[in-house]
Amino acid sequence: KNQVEQSPQSLIILEGKNCTLQCNYTVSPFSNLRWYKQDTGRGPVSLTIMTFSENTKSNGRYTATLDADTKQSSLHITASQLSDSASYICVVSEDTDKLIFGTGTRLQVFP
Amino acid sequence: ETGVTQSPTHLIKTRGQQVTLRCSSQSGHNTVSWYQQALGQGPQFIFQYYREEENGRGNFPPRFSGLQFPNYSSELNVNALELDDSALYLCASSTQRSYNEQFFGPGTRLTVL
Repeated sequence: KNQVEQSPQSLIILEGKNCTLQCNYTVSPFSNLRWYKQDTGRGPVSLTIMTFSENTKSNGRYTATLDADTKQSSLHITASQLSDSASYICVVSEDTDKLIFGTGTRLQVFP
Repeated sequence: ETGVTQSPTHLIKTRGQQVTLRCSSQSGHNTVSWYQQALGQGPQFIFQYYREEENGRGNFPPRFSGLQFPNYSSELNVNALELDDSALYLCASSTQRSYNEQFFGPGTRLTVL
């Protein structure tokens, strides 16, 4: 069964600190992997998208990595800000273009 | 902002009622996908419409139905509402049949009492 699992489920950090969120998937065949940021009660907003051949992609303070061999991805947030408080969802696309969503990591950044 | 709008923002219904949710896609997008997101969960795919035709459906019963109009806006209809239908309903638009370049709207929060 195609699945996307994320860890941790929730995370609390202090403003200015770095953190890393994990995503493991069993989706096959694989097309691409995307990280979304979702504020409470709002729609997800895309942060990065990576294809099979890409190992890393950055978007400002967000850096995503992908290891297609081990089927793992991570999202690293540098110098966290209060506005980074949100859920971060890992989404994997099959070759059929079907999207498989993870359940997300809830990040809270405190001053 | 993604340019995708949804209405209403919030809605309260009772069991057995029917509801219609609306989505206006981003300019130039001809594909709309609908998702249900329960509290604390990731979005679950309901169905997708491409050029006014259904193009794929997730594991949802027939009482979940949809429509896409010539201007590519879309409706999600849910009949015989159940308590478990309470969720955030998201629509996402894209430029082609591919799911990949999706832009999400802000969602409609549906509460079924």
